[in-house]
Amino acid sequence: GAVVSQHPSRVICKSGTSVKIECRSLDFQATTMFWYRQFPKQSLMLMATSNEGSKATYEQGVEKDKFLINHASLTLSTLTVTSAHPEDSSFYICSAPGQTYNEQFFGPGTRLTVL
Amino acid sequence: EDQVTQSPEALRLQEGESSSLNCSYTVSGLRGLFWYRQDPGKGPEFLFTLYSAGEEKEKERLKATLTKKESFLHITAPKPEDSATYLCAVQPSGSARQLTFGSGTQLTVLP
Repeated sequence: GAVVSQHPSRVICKSGTSVKIECRSLDFQATTMFWYRQFPKQSLMLMATSNEGSKATYEQGVEKDKFLINHASLTLSTLTVTSAHPEDSSFYICSAPGQTYNEQFFGPGTRLTVL
Repeated sequence: EDQVTQSPEALRLQEGESSSLNCSYTVSGLRGLFWYRQDPGKGPEFLFTLYSAGEEKEKERLKATLTKKESFLHITAPKPEDSATYLCAVQPSGSARQLTFGSGTQLTVLP
């Protein structure tokens, strides 16, 4: 199957700093990518849909000014957590759909810890 | 609002002890129901997609089935390496391909 990578896999930062997470589709193009957040022992919650060439679509309750999404190319989407606080500590996972609706490929995730 | 409920939350089995995981869903229209396996600290790994009631799919010791209201993931003669969290997700008709996930079942298979 297709491969989605994320970088970094783990990041620790101080409160108030900004952190950028990259999501890449390695061997296919993705005009749409999805960003999820997962708290310990909980399921994946969709944060936003990243669209190449247009603005991201955010789910209800997700602050678009805090979680900046840029879909720079057909293989790269970035999530920037601005002015991070300890409550933003979580596991962030991106995914990209394949050519058909029955394919959805997930990245390995990024563990963010805000001190 | 689309809802996905998985049960049990956690399940401990002895090696070789078969069992089933349940995924109940409420969705306005179902495009597909997905099963994923997730190991600690990793992203979900795709297992199956089911599209219509009555459909079944198998992969090694796993078999997924679908009805109009729920899906089951049957595990036959599990091994310790099957220990993981199993996630169920629905893709509603008309969605932009995003998935709504259940909370998962944490499976532990003891040797």
